[in-house]
Amino acid sequence: EAGVAQSPRYKIIEKRQSVAFWCNPISGHATLYWYQQILGQGPKLLIQFQNNGVVDDSQLPKDRFSAERLKGVDSTLKIQPAKLEDSAVYLCASSQQPNTEAFFGQGTRLTVV
Amino acid sequence: AQSVTQLDSHVSVSEGTPVLLRCNYSSSYSPSLFWYVQHPNKGLQLLLKYTSAATLVKGINGFEAEFKKSETSFHLTKPSAHMSDAAEYFCVVSDYNTDKLIFGTGTRLQVFP
Repeated sequence: EAGVAQSPRYKIIEKRQSVAFWCNPISGHATLYWYQQILGQGPKLLIQFQNNGVVDDSQLPKDRFSAERLKGVDSTLKIQPAKLEDSAVYLCASSQQPNTEAFFGQGTRLTVV
Repeated sequence: AQSVTQLDSHVSVSEGTPVLLRCNYSSSYSPSLFWYVQHPNKGLQLLLKYTSAATLVKGINGFEAEFKKSETSFHLTKPSAHMSDAAEYFCVVSDYNTDKLIFGTGTRLQVFP
C-alpha cells in the first residue's frame, strides 16, 4: 500500500513570497489533515477535510493560508504572503475515517528568509 | 475540550533499562489514544493505538501502553531500551465529539550506551 505522498520535501523562499504544498493521501482515505510543526514543538492542526469538505479550520491563519481538496483526493496548502514565523515542517496525514489512526507523509520543510 | 499533556519533555535512559513516557489526557467522551514516534528528519510513525478494546495495548518494537480511565493516563512503556529507540514521541487524543487528532508537545527520548 502506497503511503501519503508530499511534495516538495524542502522549500526556501523569501518573506512575502507565496508557496504551495501538495499532498496525495492513501487511496480510499476520506479524512485528510494538514499540520504545522515548528521546530521543537508538537504538530498543530491547521485544517481537516472529510472528503472534500472542511471539518475544522479553526487554527488556519486565513488571511494568508488557504487549502483545498479537489474531488476529495489530493490537497494543496498555500501560503501567501509568507512570514518568517511560517518556517516549519508542514505535515499531511490521512485516515480512513476520523478517530482512526492517521498515516503521515514525510513532510515539507519550509524555510522563510 | 480535549487535550493531552506529556509530562516530560526529555527522558534519558541507559540501553537495556526500562522506558516510561507519561501521557495524561482530557476528553469529554470516550477517547481514542495513539502514540507516534518521530525519528530525526523522518515522518511520524504510529507505534500503537487504543480504541476502547483491551486496555493494555501492544505496539511495534516492543512498546506497550495502558489505558487507565480512572487516572486519565496512557503511559508508554518498554521493558528494555535500545539505541534505535532514541527519537521524539507524541501522545495523541481523539474523541467522537470533535473528530480531531490533538497532539501533545512531545517527549524526547535519549538512550545512552
